[in-house]
Amino acid sequence: GIQVEQSPPDLILQEGANSTLRCNFSDSVNNLQWFHQNPWGQLINLFYIPSGTKQNGRLSATTVATERYSLLYISSSQTTDSGVYFCAVSQFTGNTPLVFGKGTRLSVIA
Amino acid sequence: DTAVSQTPKYLVTQMGNDKSIKCEQNLGHDTMYWYKQDSKKFLKIMFSYNNKELIINETVPNRFSPKSPDKAHLNLHINSLELGDSAVYFCASSQVRQAPQHFGDGTRLSIL
Repeated sequence: GIQVEQSPPDLILQEGANSTLRCNFSDSVNNLQWFHQNPWGQLINLFYIPSGTKQNGRLSATTVATERYSLLYISSSQTTDSGVYFCAVSQFTGNTPLVFGKGTRLSVIA
Repeated sequence: DTAVSQTPKYLVTQMGNDKSIKCEQNLGHDTMYWYKQDSKKFLKIMFSYNNKELIINETVPNRFSPKSPDKAHLNLHINSLELGDSAVYFCASSQVRQAPQHFGDGTRLSIL
């Protein structure tokens, strides 16, 4: 099955810093989503981005499907950005499920 | 106005018991999912239903049985609970099969 690798596994930032999280996948995909799991365990959908670039406030994401990677940019980080960021992909061949990466754990320090 | 709600939030029970987790979504979505998140935070799909029809059934022990009485509800029943079932179980929904998924807050299951 498809493999999803996220890097870095852990990241510590000072408040106000910028960061880039990476997601590599082993095969072509038609579905890619980024999620944030906050310290209370809630999973929030950040982006649905099988290709191209999207922005939402301080967050933006870019997927280069032909090169099999996606990037999540966090600018001017805040302590509320702390948590685990997951990338998940699927190949649209029938009822294929989302396959999640192991996540990047982000800690933003005041 | 919770979009995807699961009950209970916490479930503590003994090995061998049978328990159920309920999930409801008020988003009008056609597709619903159950995921398991283990102690290392790894998320894995268990089941998916589309308009009450089972469409994804990953390698899950048959002690786990999903049930979808209508497209807004997807429940999970677990028989003969084992220590290894301890995890956080998430329900999710999406408008159609490959659309953005929205998650409930999770049910933390602890087996004593």
